[in-house]
Amino acid sequence: AQSVTQPDIHITVSEGASLELRCNYSYGATPYLFWYVQSPGQGLQLLLKYFSGDTLVQGIKGFEAEFKRSQSSFNLRKPSVHWSDAAEYFCAVGNAGNMLTFGGGTRLMVKP
Amino acid sequence: EAGVAQSPRYKIIEKRQSVAFWCNPISGHATLYWYQQILGQGPKLLIQFQNNGVVDDSQLPKDRFSAERLKGVDSTLKIQPAKLEDSAVYLCASSLSTGGGYNEQFFGPGTRLTVL
Repeated sequence: AQSVTQPDIHITVSEGASLELRCNYSYGATPYLFWYVQSPGQGLQLLLKYFSGDTLVQGIKGFEAEFKRSQSSFNLRKPSVHWSDAAEYFCAVGNAGNMLTFGGGTRLMVKP
Repeated sequence: EAGVAQSPRYKIIEKRQSVAFWCNPISGHATLYWYQQILGQGPKLLIQFQNNGVVDDSQLPKDRFSAERLKGVDSTLKIQPAKLEDSAVYLCASSLSTGGGYNEQFFGPGTRLTVL
């Protein structure tokens, strides 16, 4: 069975600082990996995805993520956080049957 | 292109009452999903439809939850009777079905259910 762990429930960073959100997954084959963002009262918006190829993927809003098979990780990064990035971030793993399994989420707070 | 539509956006009911949620997927998307997102948790898949057939409903509490997609387009999710622990956001998503690999899911805004 596939699973996702996001070890950090809450993270607070200062505006302009760099950000890294951790994600570890468990899946028997090559995974399809995703990061979604959810702002209060909003649906889920896809930030980026990894299917194959280059292990460093670029997404929207200046985010990137790196797939590391040896560590079963897919950490999300941003070099400089903006106040508008405050939201909840979800890592997810998908399979060929199009089933998504989400992690528990990391709530990001941005200090001015 | 219109996104996934859901209604109502908010619903408050008392326990033991029934409630229904509606979802209209993106035009042309054969696959439709219902997720339950309890506060502080990630979304959990309840049921996946391919056209009007069920692909997976292993996590749907079938004693109280039911879902249908009669014409392969719109879908309804019903809870009867509701319990306090059903308070959550119910998300609908849809995707193409191209027969190979993974197809991106697009999410609606969700319906926030509060059971008192």
